[in-house]
Amino acid sequence: GDSVTQMEGPVTLSEEAFLTINCTYTATGYPSLFWYVQYPGEGLQLLLKATKADDKGSNKGFEATYRKETTSFHLEKGSVQVSDSAVYFCAPLGSARQLTFGSGTQLTVLP
Amino acid sequence: ETGVTQSPTHLIKTRGQQVTLRCSSQSGHNTVSWYQQALGQGPQFIFQYYREEENGRGNFPPRFSGLQFPNYSSELNVNALELDDSALYLCASSGGTATEAFFGQGTRLTVV
Repeated sequence: GDSVTQMEGPVTLSEEAFLTINCTYTATGYPSLFWYVQYPGEGLQLLLKATKADDKGSNKGFEATYRKETTSFHLEKGSVQVSDSAVYFCAPLGSARQLTFGSGTQLTVLP
Repeated sequence: ETGVTQSPTHLIKTRGQQVTLRCSSQSGHNTVSWYQQALGQGPQFIFQYYREEENGRGNFPPRFSGLQFPNYSSELNVNALELDDSALYLCASSGGTATEAFFGQGTRLTVV
């Protein structure tokens, strides 16, 4: 079945630092890829998506590029803010039309 | 356009009891998926409903069951609750031409 490997957390950064959260996946075919974010006590919010190879998803300063050759979808942001503190999940949408999540990466941004 | 709403937000049940969780899908969406998220873990797929029929199921026992109604809202039922069923239950709706799923805020179930 599909699987996701995410960068181990927790990750702690100072405000305005550069962020990278690595994500690699295993899935049949060419799945759509998503990053979701979860703030404490809340559900998941869609952060960005990419539906085919070399697509770049972007939203709120976050970016991720669909790399078919390396089956990766790393999340980046050039300058993080305290308000970005949350848990981030990478998830492919496989042929069975279900999302597969890893364990997530906890990000804490310090002022 | 209304988002995905779930009810209740929190509840506490006793081991062995039964529980029903509810989800209203986003307007225009005909597919609802349910996920279980244990503390500190990523969500795990329970099952999906498409146009009132089950359309895929994860590795969960039959005591987890569901329904989807003609208006595409959905219920998740869990019988014979166990302590390990304590988790955040998330509903996601999708449909139309969009590939993405939108999640509700979740129902926090505690089994004591």
